[in-house]
Amino acid sequence: SQTIHQWPATLVQPVGSPLSLECTVEGTSNPNLYWYRQAAGRGLQLLFYSVGIGQISSEVPQNLSASRPQDRQFILSSKKLLLSDSGFYLCAWSTTTGGNAFFGQGTRLTVV
Amino acid sequence: GQSLEQPSEVTAVEGAIVQINCTYQTSGFYGLSWYQQHDGGAPTFLSYNALDGLEETGRFSSFLSRSDSYGYLLLQELQMKDSASYFCAVFSGATNKLIFGTGTLLAVQP
Repeated sequence: SQTIHQWPATLVQPVGSPLSLECTVEGTSNPNLYWYRQAAGRGLQLLFYSVGIGQISSEVPQNLSASRPQDRQFILSSKKLLLSDSGFYLCAWSTTTGGNAFFGQGTRLTVV
Repeated sequence: GQSLEQPSEVTAVEGAIVQINCTYQTSGFYGLSWYQQHDGGAPTFLSYNALDGLEETGRFSSFLSRSDSYGYLLLQELQMKDSASYFCAVFSGATNKLIFGTGTLLAVQP
């Protein structure tokens, strides 16, 4: 069966510090991978998505970046965090038809 | 672009039936899916419709009308544990984006 791992679950980082969130998928190959951010009580904002290794599409221009160094690995990064980067970050995978998406546990990031 | 609209809040009582509507606009539409998210948790997949009609999964059913760009999630025999946010999402085969609606907060009252 397929599983998705995302870590860490919670993170407190000072303004200006770097960020690296990692997500890995098991039990499937060539998945579509997604990074979303969710503010408290709000919807899911699509940040980045990828249909293959090295293929990254960005939805929101900001100080975040994403990479997909391996088929089932998706990394969200920042060189210098801003206060506005605080939120609940969710990684998800879906099949190539996007019929259903499965989410990692999420990372609750607080920038202080 | 892609956009989805859902009611922001719905309130119902235990044992009742509730319907959450979703209208969408997208190019290269593949299908409409539904997700449940409890407070503090990650969304979990509930149902998916690629073709017109009704899909039933236990107490939950989902409906799609592609010609109307409309779908709904039907929850029957409501339980307190169904109190959560519910999101519809569309996948575009043209862009490979999976876009979520703004979510509907369902409150089930005793």
